[in-house]
Amino acid sequence: DTAVSQTPKYLVTQMGNDKSIKCEQNLGHDTMYWYKQDSKKFLKIMFSYNNKELIINETVPNRFSPKSPDKAHLNLHINSLELGDSAVYFCASSQSRIPNQPQHFGDGTRLSIL
Amino acid sequence: ILNVEQSPQSLHVQEGDSTNFTCSFPSSNFYALHWYRWETAKSPEALFVMTLNGDEKKKGRISATLNTKEGYSYLYIKGSQPEDSATYLCASTTGANNLFFGTGTRLTVIP
Repeated sequence: DTAVSQTPKYLVTQMGNDKSIKCEQNLGHDTMYWYKQDSKKFLKIMFSYNNKELIINETVPNRFSPKSPDKAHLNLHINSLELGDSAVYFCASSQSRIPNQPQHFGDGTRLSIL
Repeated sequence: ILNVEQSPQSLHVQEGDSTNFTCSFPSSNFYALHWYRWETAKSPEALFVMTLNGDEKKKGRISATLNTKEGYSYLYIKGSQPEDSATYLCASTTGANNLFFGTGTRLTVIP
């Protein structure tokens, strides 16, 4: 059973479109995250939710809007896609918001903007 | 933003060799240090989380140490095997919940 699953795995779309990436975890964790892997291969935190409540929003453009309908899901909606949004986006979860807990990652969604 | 640095960037070793690499992080307001193993086309997998100065953790042939006073952690692999080939990421946090990752050390074990 996949612990943290993201869909889609690949997303190719035109500049200006709106798209969503879904993430689900079946680990019973309270905290979920979105990371962006940039061109230099850094994993950078974008958002963190704990029990459906936003706890981290790291200077991400407001075109990016996370939504957590329940603690097992954290979706990422992106409006008006730009070329610079091309990246691999990773979802992760941890048992709690205390950062001494390991994080469990999904396989990533490769977003390509044409 | 925390400046987390890893060295070397990449490393080639022969099967059976032991190896180690370094993660440097700011020592002020330190809370935890994470190590992850990231195989190509897979997702990062947690190896260790360490919080106390002098912590040592071990998982099979892989072990890690932590020095919070000087701000570094070492990851050791004993008797490297081809399946150890991966990128090894470290990440540090001050306790504000967000992890700051280094760019990783890419290890290739040559059979």
